Amino acid sequence: DTAVSQTPKYLVTQMGNDKSIKCEQNLGHDTMYWYKQDSKKFLKIMFSYNNKELIINETVPNRFSPKSPDKAHLNLHINSLELGDSAVYFCASSQELAGGSKNIQYFGAGTRLSVL
Amino acid sequence: DQQVKQNSPSLSVQEGRISILNCDYTNSMFDYFLWYKKYPAEGPTFLISISSIKDKNEDGRFTVFLNKSAKHLSLHIVPSQPGDSAVYFCAASSLNTGTASKLTFGTGTRLQVTL
Repeated sequence: DTAVSQTPKYLVTQMGNDKSIKCEQNLGHDTMYWYKQDSKKFLKIMFSYNNKELIINETVPNRFSPKSPDKAHLNLHINSLELGDSAVYFCASSQELAGGSKNIQYFGAGTRLSVL
Repeated sequence: DQQVKQNSPSLSVQEGRISILNCDYTNSMFDYFLWYKKYPAEGPTFLISISSIKDKNEDGRFTVFLNKSAKHLSLHIVPSQPGDSAVYFCAASSLNTGTASKLTFGTGTRLQVTL
């Protein structure tokens, strides 16, 4: 029973298309994240939601729009896909605990997006 | 601006020996550090963490050491096992950032444990 699941695992699409990646967590966590791992293997945060509220919004093009219908789901919609969007996108979740353990984030398996 | 650096892209260690993975950071606001392990086609998996009030944290075969003055941390794995072969990411954050914490990752070190 996967704790953080992303779909699809692979996504191949043409430039200019619009696509969505879905993420669900069954850990009961309040906070969810989207990270991007580029070709240089840098893992960088894009967005974070806490209880459906946007908390972190890094410098990401407006073509990327996260949507959180409830605290267990955080989807990522990308408009007008560009070649540079090709990367692996990871969803993660965390739960604030007493003692400061909130920083432990649990990751999904990733979605490899290839824009042709 | 790379605030978390793992200067060794790869490391090869014999089974049974100690693996030492290093990480340096530049941001003095970081006060919580984590190590993640990643297998191919999987997401990063949390391994061990340490807060800046400690200089060592141990969990089984894994020990993380933190040297705040040098802004350096290291992960020791002893004894190393073939199943430890993976990419290890160092990550840092600040505990005082509210509800959600931004993890800043290094670029990873690929550890290969040979027989």
